[in-house]
Amino acid sequence: QQQVKQSPQSLIVQKGGISIINCAYENTAFDYFPWYQQFPGKGPALLIAIRPDVSEKKEGRFTISFNKSAKQFSLHIMDSQPGDSATYFCAASSSNTGGFKTIFGAGTRLFVKA
Amino acid sequence: EAGVAQSPRYKIIEKRQSVAFWCNPISGHATLYWYQQILGQGPKLLIQFQNNGVVDDSQLPKDRFSAERLKGVDSTLKIQPAKLEDSAVYLCASSFTGGSYNEQFFGPGTRLTVL
Repeated sequence: QQQVKQSPQSLIVQKGGISIINCAYENTAFDYFPWYQQFPGKGPALLIAIRPDVSEKKEGRFTISFNKSAKQFSLHIMDSQPGDSATYFCAASSSNTGGFKTIFGAGTRLFVKA
Repeated sequence: EAGVAQSPRYKIIEKRQSVAFWCNPISGHATLYWYQQILGQGPKLLIQFQNNGVVDDSQLPKDRFSAERLKGVDSTLKIQPAKLEDSAVYLCASSFTGGSYNEQFFGPGTRLTVL
């Protein structure tokens, strides 16, 4: 129940295309859903995050779509660029368990072809 | 603003040896996390500190792993004795507070190889 399932494992997109990464969770206590971007040799960095009281959040070329009833959320990268090539992790956390824990998905390796 | 500092960046040891990692969080961040990231997987929380107290260490293998944050600032994570399956990147992160909505800032990690 604490898992966050992420797909696909890897993704190849043409420059200018749309990259879509999907995540699903089980625990309805999760109340914060961040996406992290990780480049080789670096730690993950927060890209964008959403709370379950909204269905969509957009920041520049990055959009999170959130479906509370289906317990799914996704990251859309519009006009994908070679510089977006990285590993993306979805995550979920809850503040309702006496402290909180962030559970990460397994990651999606994105490669944007020039 | 300086980021989260970690050292060493790389470490190679033989199984059954011991190893220690050091982390200095962003100044003013009360919450510090240690994560284990095995190749091809997402980070897994090992331990979370709030100032110098432990908030969550439910996934820390306490028979071989230990961590401390004595003065509420920097922290060390130790493995003794190491096993082959401990080969991973050990990430340290910090946040201003421990709340669910607080952004975690990650260091570059320490890549551990156990032979």
